[in-house]
Amino acid sequence: SAVISQKPSRDICQRGTSLTIQCQVDSQVTMMFWYRQQPGQSLTLIATANQGSEATYESGFVIDKFPISRPNLTFSTLTVSNMSPEDSSIYLCSVHYSYEQYFGPGTRLTVT
Amino acid sequence: AQTVTQSQPEMSVQEAETVTLSCTYDTSESDYYLFWYKQPPSRQMILVIRQEAYKQQNATENRFSVNFQKAAKSFSLKISDSQLGDAAMYFCAYRGLYSGGGADGLTFGKGTHLIIQP
Repeated sequence: SAVISQKPSRDICQRGTSLTIQCQVDSQVTMMFWYRQQPGQSLTLIATANQGSEATYESGFVIDKFPISRPNLTFSTLTVSNMSPEDSSIYLCSVHYSYEQYFGPGTRLTVT
Repeated sequence: AQTVTQSQPEMSVQEAETVTLSCTYDTSESDYYLFWYKQPPSRQMILVIRQEAYKQQNATENRFSVNFQKAAKSFSLKISDSQLGDAAMYFCAYRGLYSGGGADGLTFGKGTHLIIQP
């Protein structure tokens, strides 16, 4: 299995600021995924991050708002830029490993 | 685009009884994966069961089993002998096969909140 950690686990931020979320995996993986879970909602894929290439964003998500880095095969960051209260969500990192999809514990973001 | 529909926002079952959660999906692909995930209040996503579309046999994991009807695009989860620890949000999810050497992300349904009555 793959064990995923995320930092921070939660944060409260002011509107207009940015927050960078870190995702660390204990195994080397080709692709990492970032999801958003708005309050009381399901998970929505934000983007897919391949090591060494630009992230691929889903419809409705743009790089300027959610820049992603993927410097190596075990680490990725997601930045939520110029935050507004609508960005208050849980952000989850996920990896595909050995035919399974594993999820990190999530980062609960509250924007005031 | 693929869609996943869970028509039951909430289900309630007595402890030790059996409950079935419904899921339908829409896809034009012939090969894909289907999943059921459990999300307790801790918000950690826990894989309950996985089904490969090319397998006719329904997947089973202890008290959890699925009824996979490929032609009907239906993928229900049956929980037998329900336990208090089964209380959680349950999400049905779809993933296509590898494309371009990588793996697609998951498409999730809206979830079913399962309540276990003691």
